[in-house]
Amino acid sequence: KAGVTQTPRYLIKTRGQQVTLSCSPISGHRSVSWYQQTPGQGLQFLFEYFSETQRNKGNFPGRFSGRQFSNSRSEMNVSTLELGDSALYLCASSFREQGTDTQYFGPGTRLTVL
Amino acid sequence: QQQVKQSPQSLIVQKGGISIINCAYENTAFDYFPWYQQFPGKGPALLIAIRPDVSEKKEGRFTISFNKSAKQFSLHIMDSQPGDSATYFCAARWGAQKLVFGQGTRLTINP
Repeated sequence: KAGVTQTPRYLIKTRGQQVTLSCSPISGHRSVSWYQQTPGQGLQFLFEYFSETQRNKGNFPGRFSGRQFSNSRSEMNVSTLELGDSALYLCASSFREQGTDTQYFGPGTRLTVL
Repeated sequence: QQQVKQSPQSLIVQKGGISIINCAYENTAFDYFPWYQQFPGKGPALLIAIRPDVSEKKEGRFTISFNKSAKQFSLHIMDSQPGDSATYFCAARWGAQKLVFGQGTRLTINP
């Protein structure tokens, strides 16, 4: 099976712009989670979608939003970009195996805000 | 308290030695504790995981030791190899799919 794919891999934006990142989960996985990774804060949970519904949400401002489509593909959007939004954004898909939901991460999208 | 404290931040081990990374948590509602390995330019990859009702789990050269009463768990890498050089993250699951990660340990194995 193909792994989790994320597009684009690299992105440069300026403050105030908005950005949309895309994630295609592993075939058959219905849950998609998003994380932000920075050197200072580490890996932080953004939100999780299951069957097109947001099921969990982390402690991020409303500028960060997401959605999931009927084919389980997911997008996340960041509006009014700030310098501090520069980070690696990781998507993880999961399904239940042997009683546990194992998360598989994509390679991430490196976002740089200038 | 929704956090996991990981130590050390960096670790240098000689080839063939044992690498040990420790994590501690406060929230007893955590129900699943995975370890992830991340190489530069890649996303984290699941290495090994344990549930709190098990005290130890071994997979090849990788072992998780879990101490429920102390709220601590650790990763042991036996016979460490240069290819093990990476950043390692412990994590704890809180709620369906919501992982809380430690700050990471940069492991370097000297040949």
